[in-house]
Amino acid sequence: GDSVTQMEGPVTLSEEAFLTINCTYTATGYPSLFWYVQYPGEGLQLLLKATKADDKGSNKGFEATYRKETTSFHLEKGSVQVSDSAVYFCALSFKTIFGAGTRLFVKA
Amino acid sequence: NAGVTQTPKFQVLKTGQSMTLQCAQDMNHEYMSWYRQDPGMGLRLIHYSVGAGITDQGEVPNGYNVSRSTTEDFPLRLLSAAPSQTSVYFCASSYGGGFASGANVLTFGAGSRLTVL
Repeated sequence: GDSVTQMEGPVTLSEEAFLTINCTYTATGYPSLFWYVQYPGEGLQLLLKATKADDKGSNKGFEATYRKETTSFHLEKGSVQVSDSAVYFCALSFKTIFGAGTRLFVKA
Repeated sequence: NAGVTQTPKFQVLKTGQSMTLQCAQDMNHEYMSWYRQDPGMGLRLIHYSVGAGITDQGEVPNGYNVSRSTTEDFPLRLLSAAPSQTSVYFCASSYGGGFASGANVLTFGAGSRLTVL
C-alpha cells in the first residue's frame, strides 16, 4: 500500500541555519505530495504542495520539489527562525497518508 | 468563518464507556475524515467519507463507528473505550470527493485529546 517515510526527529538547529527534512514515498499512480506543519496545541495546516513530477511547492521560505525518479519530496529552508519550531508532516494523496512527523527545534 | 470545529477539546473516559467526538464543517466540503495522532506514528486514518451517506474504513477502524447523515457533520463514536484509544483525534475535510482530485488540501480541526483510564 501507499506509504510515506520521513526522517526521524527531533532536529535541533540554530537560527539562520539551513534546514532539510527528508521525505520519500511509495505509491501507485501519480499522487500529489504535501507538507503540513503543526504548531504546539494546534491542528495541522498546509505548508506547501506539488501535484506532479518536477513541480516545486514553496511557501514562507520553505521549498520542496516532487522528484518522481527518486520518489522524494524533501523539505528545505535556507535560514530557519525560532518561529519555525513545529512538527512537520510529509503526506501524499489520494487517501491522504501521513509520515510520522519530524519535530524541529530552532534555538535563538 | 469557522472552518472545521471539533468538540470536546478534552475528554477523560473509563474503560468500557462510550462517547462521540463531534466534527462539523461549514465549507460545504464533500470529503471528511478522522485521524488519530500518536507519538512517533504520525497521523493514521480511522474512517473517511466522500459524501453524505457514504463512509469507508481507513487504516485503523476497529473500535470506532462513523456516520454521515449531512454534508456538515461527521461524528466519530467510540463504542466501548479502551486504554489503547488514548490519543489526540483530528477531523479534517476537503473540497471534492477526496479521490476525484489528488490535489485536494485538507483543512484540520484543532483536535480532541482523549484519555481512557
